[in-house]
Amino acid sequence: DGGITQSPKYLFRKEGQNVTLSCEQNLNHDAMYWYRQDPGQGLRLIYYSQIVNDFQKGDIAEGYSVSREKKESFPLTVTSAQKNPTAFYLCASSTRGGLDTEAFFGQGTRLTVV
Amino acid sequence: GENVEQHPSTLSVQEGDSAVIKCTYSDSASNYFPWYKQELGKRPQLIIDIRSNVGEKKDQRIAVTLNKTAKHFSLHITETQPEDSAVYFCAAKRSQGNLIFGKGTKLSVKP
Repeated sequence: DGGITQSPKYLFRKEGQNVTLSCEQNLNHDAMYWYRQDPGQGLRLIYYSQIVNDFQKGDIAEGYSVSREKKESFPLTVTSAQKNPTAFYLCASSTRGGLDTEAFFGQGTRLTVV
Repeated sequence: GENVEQHPSTLSVQEGDSAVIKCTYSDSASNYFPWYKQELGKRPQLIIDIRSNVGEKKDQRIAVTLNKTAKHFSLHITETQPEDSAVYFCAAKRSQGNLIFGKGTKLSVKP
């Protein structure tokens, strides 16, 4: 299957804990993204990275952190500062700029606070 | 900021009928407009896209139209089938920018 892999598929977090969601791609894409999906809210951008060692906040970055040390990897940490973290998280990658800018999505991680 | 509005939020059609989903965007510099289909519990997958240098694109039963002057684009599905039931997302993007998604349309096709 397809080039971009998220793990784990399901994740449970206790209140006050940090958790890290993994996203790896072998598509040689420069750009990677994290989205949060809630019912009726569509896809909201948390963080994005257009190149290694650089990343930018999206619309809802508060309570999240990321790193981009390798081209292939863009892990997302959900910190204890995120007050409502229960959601479906999607990672995506694409070429940077240009006309062929289809975004490929991972299969998602469903995070639940217990 | 940049915004994409998508309507309707839910759509129910009889098998064989057509379905139309409409989106408007705010950033006049947007030049790439993809549509994604997301089945329950699965990842969004690209079904069709259009770039700003064309007004219409077709792929079998699906087509997308773009009106740059009015800043809106639409997805048309003809001869709908039960397997077309899913959530559909439109998005808009400018060069060197990020995809901005609509909130999605839940399409139900009744046999």
